[in-house]
Amino acid sequence: SQKIEQNSEALNIQEGKTATLTCNYTNYSPAYLQWYRQDPGRGPVFLLLIRENEKEKRKERLKVTFDTTLKQSLFHITASQPADSATYLCALSLGQNFVFGPGTRLSVLP
Amino acid sequence: DTGVSQDPRHKITKRGQNVTFRCDPISEHNRLYWYRQTLGQGPEFLTYFQNEAQLEKSRLLSDRFSAERPKGSFSTLEIQRTEQGDSAMYLCASSFPGMNTEAFFGQGTRLTVV
Repeated sequence: SQKIEQNSEALNIQEGKTATLTCNYTNYSPAYLQWYRQDPGRGPVFLLLIRENEKEKRKERLKVTFDTTLKQSLFHITASQPADSATYLCALSLGQNFVFGPGTRLSVLP
Repeated sequence: DTGVSQDPRHKITKRGQNVTFRCDPISEHNRLYWYRQTLGQGPEFLTYFQNEAQLEKSRLLSDRFSAERPKGSFSTLEIQRTEQGDSAMYLCASSFPGMNTEAFFGQGTRLTVV
């Protein structure tokens, strides 16, 4: 069956460290993958998109990798700050649509 | 245009009542999506439109749910005979058509069925 898993429900890290979030999928072949940030009570906000033929994408303190052999994407936030605390969602393209993982709640502790 | 707008932000209704939500997408966007999200879960796809055409519906969408986008601009999502299991956040998103396009989400409508 098709499944998307994100490493853990919650992740706590110290301010200044690098946060690494994982997104693993089974029985999907996405043409691209997106990462979103969601704050409580609000809609998701787009962060980064990476295509299947791209290995890595960067934007400021954010980096995404995409390994179609391992069926995994890693999302890194370097020099993390308390303001980065939120839920992070990966979304896989599925035809003309996309399907979301369950999310990882990141807490950056001062 | 300030982004995707959803109305109302919150709705409390009694079981068995009908409810309707509205979404105003970003004006240049052809595509419009509806998602449902429950606590601790990622958004779950319900349906999407390309202009006024409803191109895909989730198998999870029961007959009690119907969505329209009559002129290819705003959209409505109606739930008939609401059940407690319908309680969730209903999210609308819009995007340009084609591959590799990000979706812009609204703030959602939180539905509570009592």
